Amino acid sequence: GIQVEQSPPDLILQEGANSTLRCNFSDSVNNLQWFHQNPWGQLINLFYIPSGTKQNGRLSATTVATERYSLLYISSSQTTDSGVYFCAASGGSYIPTFGRGTSLIVHP
Amino acid sequence: SAVISQKPSRDICQRGTSLTIQCQVDSQVTMMFWYRQQPGQSLTLIATANQGSEATYESGFVIDKFPISRPNLTFSTLTVSNMSPEDSSIYLCSISEPFNYGYTFGSGTRLTVV
Repeated sequence: GIQVEQSPPDLILQEGANSTLRCNFSDSVNNLQWFHQNPWGQLINLFYIPSGTKQNGRLSATTVATERYSLLYISSSQTTDSGVYFCAASGGSYIPTFGRGTSLIVHP
Repeated sequence: SAVISQKPSRDICQRGTSLTIQCQVDSQVTMMFWYRQQPGQSLTLIATANQGSEATYESGFVIDKFPISRPNLTFSTLTVSNMSPEDSSIYLCSISEPFNYGYTFGSGTRLTVV
């Protein structure tokens, strides 16, 4: 199956800073998503982005399918951005494989 | 995208007992998925549930421990049986809406076994 690696594993920011999270995947994908898991355990779908670039407010994501990576950009970070960010990718089976996540802490 | 209602949101259970988790979707879906997230870990797929057939379990998960029901295209349950403290995890259900939204998750059930 597809292997998904995320970096960095941990990230600590001061409020207002920008950051880039990376997701590498081992094979061609038909689905790639970024999720934010809040401290209560809820998994929020940020982007469905098997290719191209999308933006939603302070967040944006880019997937370069031919080079097998995706990036999540967080600009002007806020304390509410804290949590764990997961990348999930799937190929022919359509069942996603999750990376190990990036744990983000934003200090006021 | 579809909306999934999952309950209970959390529970504290005695070892040796069972807990049934329910997921209700506001539209008909072919496949539903059940995941486990152990403390500090990523998500691991338990099984795929199709309506009208037995669930397909991933390696390391068995039907006797995690029986699943899928009586119709909008509802599924996962039971965690004969619980031990090692079963303390977040359990999440999910559906697939490919080509539009990808995967959508329920709000999760935080289970603590004492």
